[in-house]
Amino acid sequence: GAVVSQHPSRVICKSGTSVKIECRSLDFQATTMFWYRQFPKQSLMLMATSNEGSKATYEQGVEKDKFLINHASLTLSTLTVTSAHPEDSSFYICSAPGVTGNQETQYFGPGTRLLVL
Amino acid sequence: GDSVTQMEGPVTLSEEAFLTINCTYTATGYPSLFWYVQYPGEGLQLLLKATKADDKGSNKGFEATYRKETTSFHLEKGSVQVSDSAVYFCALSGGIFGKGTRLHILP
Repeated sequence: GAVVSQHPSRVICKSGTSVKIECRSLDFQATTMFWYRQFPKQSLMLMATSNEGSKATYEQGVEKDKFLINHASLTLSTLTVTSAHPEDSSFYICSAPGVTGNQETQYFGPGTRLLVL
Repeated sequence: GDSVTQMEGPVTLSEEAFLTINCTYTATGYPSLFWYVQYPGEGLQLLLKATKADDKGSNKGFEATYRKETTSFHLEKGSVQVSDSAVYFCALSGGIFGKGTRLHILP
């Protein structure tokens, strides 16, 4: 079945550095991908919708200059956390829409755990 | 490892019908449980959550109770509306999702 991968799965970085997270659809094309963040025991929070060939759409309150999204191809979207700070430490998940059987669904990546020291 | 199983869709109901979407889970420890809803072309939105056993999450007429003894978190609504048509995902904390259930409400 359809698979979405994320890389890296875990990253630790120093405050002030930038971190890039990749989201790939492995055996299908995705013109749209979604990026979420999740704090421990909390719900997902949609950050932005990544659109292949055009600018990402950010949710209210999400800084687009802080969280840069590039949907470079039909199988790859990247999220770059620029000048990361400890409050950016979180679990980041991407997803891509698809169809299974006769219904639409979402394929989720395994997530990337970011720790900013 | 942890996992979520939810009933397969699509589920088609008439307006004002009673809704149940089953969700069971396997987990170590005591995860938080969530239901998310996704409307066409949009990202997931949190519908409701429960953080410990016997908690009941509720929102927009939807309810789900965290049942530790049956490892379930079934979503219910007493009277559905056409506007409830969407895909619903059951999930555990830590990014574990069910496959989604498409709900289609007929006027």
